[in-house]
Amino acid sequence: NSKVIQTPRYLVKGQGQKAKMRCIPEKGHPVVFWYQQNKNNEFKFLINFQNQEVLQQIDMTEKRFSAECPSNSPCSLEIQSSEAGDSALYLCASSLSPWGLYEQYFGPGTRLTVL
Amino acid sequence: AQKVTQTQTSISVMEKTTVTMDCVYETQDSSYFLFWYKQTASGEIVFLIRQDSYKKENATVGHYSLNFQKPKSSIGLIITATQIEDSAVYFCAMREGNYAQGLTFGLGTRVSVFP
Repeated sequence: NSKVIQTPRYLVKGQGQKAKMRCIPEKGHPVVFWYQQNKNNEFKFLINFQNQEVLQQIDMTEKRFSAECPSNSPCSLEIQSSEAGDSALYLCASSLSPWGLYEQYFGPGTRLTVL
Repeated sequence: AQKVTQTQTSISVMEKTTVTMDCVYETQDSSYFLFWYKQTASGEIVFLIRQDSYKKENATVGHYSLNFQKPKSSIGLIITATQIEDSAVYFCAMREGNYAQGLTFGLGTRVSVFP
């Protein structure tokens, strides 16, 4: 079972609504990644953090998506104004290090449906 | 730009036999890391095995092993003595050696193991 905790497991929103999902990384993992997996199994990297600092994010994330990893609180990913195309499985992964050789361990995901 | 291609959409095998699935990748980096994950029917993504580009020997973990052919940019996954619970979608993924990059995934191969 995943040691990365994601809540909620399912999220249903109307277009234009905010959608917020949370992630608690595996204990001792300072690095958190967010991915989007669509129904065609295409994964898209969104953003990653080391502790509270953003390491890298894609352009899409900079516009309607916001994310944070506050100290002593779950990390979160929020879509400010949901669109139908945002319907997907949002996956949080954690790792010991941002360097490439370290494995990422995934949570169960939050399945977002935008009506 | 990185790219990962899994050409086999689905494979069906009998229990206790061996299944092999293919993955080819593209990268400009001389240092990179290759991963295999499986996604179960519940959506959970589980890390299976990793191959470092600078290592010549094929990685092996339990009943998972890799066939790394660097000149062909190929990293095949071999599962021996398959079990019903190996039924899942298997994803090949890559990270270049750069700091903080996300994973680049293939589209997955669905494996069905029958009794």
